[in-house]
Amino acid sequence: GIQVEQSPPDLILQEGANSTLRCNFSDSVNNLQWFHQNPWGQLINLFYIPSGTKQNGRLSATTVATERYSLLYISSSQTTDSGVYFCAVGVDYKLSFGAGTTVTVRA
Amino acid sequence: GAVVSQHPSRVICKSGTSVKIECRSLDFQATTMFWYRQFPKQSLMLMATSNEGSKATYEQGVEKDKFLINHASLTLSTLTVTSAHPEDSSFYICSASRRGTSYEQYFGPGTRLTVT
Repeated sequence: GIQVEQSPPDLILQEGANSTLRCNFSDSVNNLQWFHQNPWGQLINLFYIPSGTKQNGRLSATTVATERYSLLYISSSQTTDSGVYFCAVGVDYKLSFGAGTTVTVRA
Repeated sequence: GAVVSQHPSRVICKSGTSVKIECRSLDFQATTMFWYRQFPKQSLMLMATSNEGSKATYEQGVEKDKFLINHASLTLSTLTVTSAHPEDSSFYICSASRRGTSYEQYFGPGTRLTVT
C-alpha cells in the first residue's frame, strides 16, 4: 500500500506563531485530504487537495503531486488550533492515513 | 452540507455480546461508506468499504465474520461487532463519499466501544 509520512510528529507553538506541516507519500495519488481531529475524536475536513493550492482563512495547503508531498500552513495560530492533524492519501476512494502531527498551541 | 452521524457515540458491552453501530449521511446520498478503527494515540486504519446493496470489501486481516457490515440504503451503513472481546475495544469511525466527481470523504463523530 501507499506509505504516508507526516512531519514533525509533535509541534509546540506560541499563540500567534506560524507553522508548516508536511506530508510525504510513496506513490501517485488522485485523492489527498487534510483533517483536524478535535479532542472528542471528530475528524474535521480541512482541505480536499489532490493537487494545487487552496486557502481557507488562516489555513492554506499546497500539494505538489509530481513530487509526492503536501504542505499545510497554519498562520497566526490560536489555542483552538490544538489537536492532531492528519494527512490521508489514496487512489480513488481508498485512503491511507499518516501517523499525524500533534499540535499544541500555548497562550 | 455533507454531515455524517453515528449512533451510539459511546457503548459499553459485556464480553461475548454483539454491538451494532449505525452510520448515516444526513444531507446527501453516499455512494460508498467506509469503516475505520483507531486505537489510542494511533492513526486510523481502514477496516472495510461498502457500497449500497452489495457486499462489503474487507481489508487484509479484518475478520468479515466478526465485523458484519450492512449497507442497506444510500444513507445508512451498519457495523456489527459480533461476540465482542476486550481486544475489540476501540474507537470506530465511519465516513461517506457522495455522488459526484470528487473522492472526498466526510467523517462521522466516531463510536467509542468498551468491552468488559
